[in-house]
Amino acid sequence: GESVGLHLPTLSVQEGDNSIINCAYSNSASDYFIWYKQESGKGPQFIIDIRSNMDKRQGQRVTVLLNKTVKHLSLQIAATQPGDSAVYFCAERNRDDKIIFGKGTRLHILP
Amino acid sequence: KAGVTQTPRYLIKTRGQQVTLSCSPISGHRSVSWYQQTPGQGLQFLFEYFSETQRNKGNFPGRFSGRQFSNSRSEMNVSTLELGDSALYLCASRPDRGLTGELFFGEGSRLTVL
Repeated sequence: GESVGLHLPTLSVQEGDNSIINCAYSNSASDYFIWYKQESGKGPQFIIDIRSNMDKRQGQRVTVLLNKTVKHLSLQIAATQPGDSAVYFCAERNRDDKIIFGKGTRLHILP
Repeated sequence: KAGVTQTPRYLIKTRGQQVTLSCSPISGHRSVSWYQQTPGQGLQFLFEYFSETQRNKGNFPGRFSGRQFSNSRSEMNVSTLELGDSALYLCASRPDRGLTGELFFGEGSRLTVL
């Protein structure tokens, strides 16, 4: 199948601190890069996306940064809360309009 | 507005059997995609249907098939089940193709093959 999902790294962050989740993508021709959040027992939920012609986009408490030079995508969550505990996936939309998911990162919030 | 609905939520099958999973997209959404999620491989794209036509396909064997009906509801079928087919099968819909990358996921059908 098509996926870059191998191991599941874990990021532990103190409640109230900022979280930064990183992702490397593979396809330079992808035009949208997306972040999804998956809570236990649920399907992934869209958080934010960014077009390939942008470097930064901000949402509510979240910021996505795109570095096309090194094919790197990051998600910043400000003032992390217990409800942010989940697995986060990056995804990219390729030329065929296929949305391919990358590695997941488990975000663990420390009290 | 109701979300994406998948049935059944859980099912257990034995090797060699076949299974059919159903997905009802959000009303008005014409595109339905299917993904297989396993701990070791993450989320893998199976296929996408749009207006009853398969528009995209992942790298899965022919045992995995799907279809979409005129009301946009979709089914996927897995024949001759293998142990490795045990997974969470996720359906996602979106209004149309060619917009952004936002997919609306259901809660999945968890298949266990014994």
